[in-house]
Amino acid sequence: DVKVTQSSRYLVKRTGEKVFLECVQDMDHENMFWYRQDPGLGLRLIYFSYDVKMKEKGDIPEGYSVSREKKERFSLILESASTNQTSMYLCASSHTGRDNSPLHFGNGTRLTVT
Amino acid sequence: KQEVTQIPAALSVPEGENLVLNCSFTDSAIYNLQWFRQDPGKGLTSLLLIQSSQREQTSGRLNASLDKSSGRSTLYIAASQPGDSATYLCAVKGIGGYQKVTFGTGTKLQVIP
Repeated sequence: DVKVTQSSRYLVKRTGEKVFLECVQDMDHENMFWYRQDPGLGLRLIYFSYDVKMKEKGDIPEGYSVSREKKERFSLILESASTNQTSMYLCASSHTGRDNSPLHFGNGTRLTVT
Repeated sequence: KQEVTQIPAALSVPEGENLVLNCSFTDSAIYNLQWFRQDPGKGLTSLLLIQSSQREQTSGRLNASLDKSSGRSTLYIAASQPGDSATYLCAVKGIGGYQKVTFGTGTKLQVIP
């Protein structure tokens, strides 16, 4: 069974702090994604990566950066956390270019910035 | 730009009823369509994936259909149970570019005992 693991279920941080959200997958997936989910706005793509050290901006990259040094790990970084970044963050992974390859999600990290 | 719509936004049914959730999308150039379930405060759990060349997929009490030409998919849940209460989301994976996955905003289902 594919497993996508997010390091924290809940995080509380202060405005201005640097925040790291970690995600690890165990299925040798090429693609990894970071989404945020907010009531009424659905899931929005922040960044994704299709290979080690490769990254692409999604729909809402402002205020975020990412790091992918190893194939199995994808980190989301909030350089200076702000209250409008309070949200549920979801990591996902999948294989590239296969129409039978599902997207697999982690359990999410609920981040509160005070 | 792909747009995915799910109607209704919320649905409440008595236990045992069969029900259908709807998903529509605007661009038929897709790799696949995936249905997810999300419990409150949790991540998304994959239920079914239909490849673009397929018409339907079944898993237990769930059956998902895909009509790519009309841009529609349905998720049929047979003999609903209170444990089916959750939000159901559909997502389409586009062809080309970086194969972007576009999500609907979900249908919140409540099955009443």
